[in-house]
Amino acid sequence: GAVVSQHPSWVICKSGTSVKIECRSLDFQATTMFWYRQFPKQSLMLMATSNEGSKATYEQGVEKDKFLINHASLTLSTLTVTSAHPEDSSFYICSARVRGRETQYFGPGTRLLVL
Amino acid sequence: GENVEQHPSTLSVQEGDSAVIKCTYSDSASNYFPWYKQELGKRPQLIIDIRSNVGEKKDQRIAVTLNKTAKHFSLHITETQPEDSAVYFCAASEGGSYIPTFGRGTSLIVHP
Repeated sequence: GAVVSQHPSWVICKSGTSVKIECRSLDFQATTMFWYRQFPKQSLMLMATSNEGSKATYEQGVEKDKFLINHASLTLSTLTVTSAHPEDSSFYICSARVRGRETQYFGPGTRLLVL
Repeated sequence: GENVEQHPSTLSVQEGDSAVIKCTYSDSASNYFPWYKQELGKRPQLIIDIRSNVGEKKDQRIAVTLNKTAKHFSLHITETQPEDSAVYFCAASEGGSYIPTFGRGTSLIVHP
């Protein structure tokens, strides 16, 4: 149980395009989902926290107009990188959590390369 | 906010030896401390966690200890195996939000 999927697993796009990444909890209802960014050999950097049906809470320094997060249902959250640039290239990982429970379950990650 | 320091950044051991990774945290309100293992290019996976009402927890070759007074917690892996090689992250979170702050990670290399 507690499986989180992410799609796509990798994406290559041209500078200026927008990219949407999906995060799904497959066998449980995730009231909260987190989006992280991870650079090579570095830690997980929390970008935003999203609760189902409400606006995401962004961490300091993360542009909410650049990284659009939608959490429309208890099993799906999406991250859209708008007008992507090469510096947005990174490994993006989501995680999901059930309300009132501490444990986070991570997705497999999406590797984004912006040319 | 919470600040988590993790040491060492790299740990190299021989197969069969023990490995210890240490973390400190700053927020005394933190009460949940998970440890994650991340293999190259893969997702972090929870390997063990501990809550502040417990001083030690063990699961086969893995154990975690917590010292609330000193605000530090450690991961202990005994009888290490090559498949234990990975990056290990500690985290600390406060009970109300459960939003964890991660350490910078420790790259564990187990030589056969």
